[in-house]
Amino acid sequence: QKEVEQNSGPLSVPEGAIASLNCTYSDRGSQSFFWYRQYSGKSPELIMSIYSNGDKEDGRFTAQLNKASQYVSLLIRDSQPSDSATYLCAVNNAGNMLTFGGGTRLMVKP
Amino acid sequence: NAGVMQNPRHLVRRRGQEARLRCSPMKGHSHVYWYRQLPEEGLKFMVYLQKENIIDESGMPKERFSAEFPKEGPSILRIQQVVRGDSAAYFCASSPQRSTDTQYFGPGTRLTVL
Repeated sequence: QKEVEQNSGPLSVPEGAIASLNCTYSDRGSQSFFWYRQYSGKSPELIMSIYSNGDKEDGRFTAQLNKASQYVSLLIRDSQPSDSATYLCAVNNAGNMLTFGGGTRLMVKP
Repeated sequence: NAGVMQNPRHLVRRRGQEARLRCSPMKGHSHVYWYRQLPEEGLKFMVYLQKENIIDESGMPKERFSAEFPKEGPSILRIQQVVRGDSAAYFCASSPQRSTDTQYFGPGTRLTVL
């Protein structure tokens, strides 16, 4: 069974710090990787997509992919209280679906 | 540029009734996916459709659930004879072309079964 694993948290960081969120996946054939943010009671909102090994930066967000280690991470620089949410790692393994991790709850304290 | 639209946003049904959830993909998107999020659980894939075709329904429960995406109109997720365990948030997502493209989610329909 194809799995995506995340630490459920909560991960608590002070305002202005770097938040580091991690995700591992089991299917080596996975091709595309996504980070979504989900506020309580809301729908998932896309933050980043990454397809090849290395880093991809977008504003305060950096996604990192290591296919050899089957590892994806998301770094949030200068964390703000408004970043407090659940962050979902999702993997598409050349099929027709996204497989989601259980999410990591991030709390940014003022 | 309108995003993925879902309605109703909230739906209350009694046990044994039918629930119909609707999803209109983003303009220019031809791929539709349905996911279910049970309370305090993660998102689980249910079904993937293109116009007039079900491509992958491996995540759909074997009974009572069906989905369609007709040539005209929105995609419909239909749940017959609902039970309390069907209470969940149902999200629709769409992507432009290939199934590996980024999927954008609608606001969801929150189904409550009394």
